[in-house]
Amino acid sequence: NAGVMQNPRHLVRRRGQEARLRCSPMKGHSHVYWYRQLPEEGLKFMVYLQKENIIDESGMPKERFSAEFPKEGPSILRIQQVVRGDSAAYFCASSPSTSGTDNEQFFGPGTRLTVL
Amino acid sequence: DAKTTQPTSMDCAEGRAANLPCNHSTISGNEYVYWYRQIHSQGPQYIIHGLKNNETNEMASLIITEDRKSSTLILPHATLRDTAVYYCIVRVKGTYKYIFGTGTRLKVLA
Repeated sequence: NAGVMQNPRHLVRRRGQEARLRCSPMKGHSHVYWYRQLPEEGLKFMVYLQKENIIDESGMPKERFSAEFPKEGPSILRIQQVVRGDSAAYFCASSPSTSGTDNEQFFGPGTRLTVL
Repeated sequence: DAKTTQPTSMDCAEGRAANLPCNHSTISGNEYVYWYRQIHSQGPQYIIHGLKNNETNEMASLIITEDRKSSTLILPHATLRDTAVYYCIVRVKGTYKYIFGTGTRLKVLA
């Protein structure tokens, strides 16, 4: 039973380019969460999605960042016009569909974004 | 802001028990205590969680004080592979948002 998968594992972008981070939840999970981790800090919640719906995006920066979780395919975190401050590790987590708010979240290995 | 405080770092000898404390003095009656760890900047790994009773699984034990203002994660026989950052998190039942603090960096020494 594969865990949460994220790709790419490492992503390098120049300032002004776009970054697309993908997350495939565990089989049977339809709740996806994105977190960001800056160096030497804990993870910070960004957004919570269910299939085709954004439930809570209170942790997302107001500009340049967007997330989606389409009916088919992985969840995508998109960062437009990246800046050096976007360099971080981005983690995706998923939880079961039947009681997603009560069960623990399973985390993927993360995508490390470096902005040159 | 995280609702927990943990020591920044701890050392433990290999084979000995590692006891990691966590203070959550403002915890509410419907908030659970969760523990995760992060090894070498990998994704956080779930360890254990509890409400008010002590809990044990194959990885660890969780001891929660009677007033629930603090808890201790116990790794009974620490190995070098347990070297990681350990996060104590409180989470309201029925919500989904984890608020991570900076955790405790545990180093297991040979």
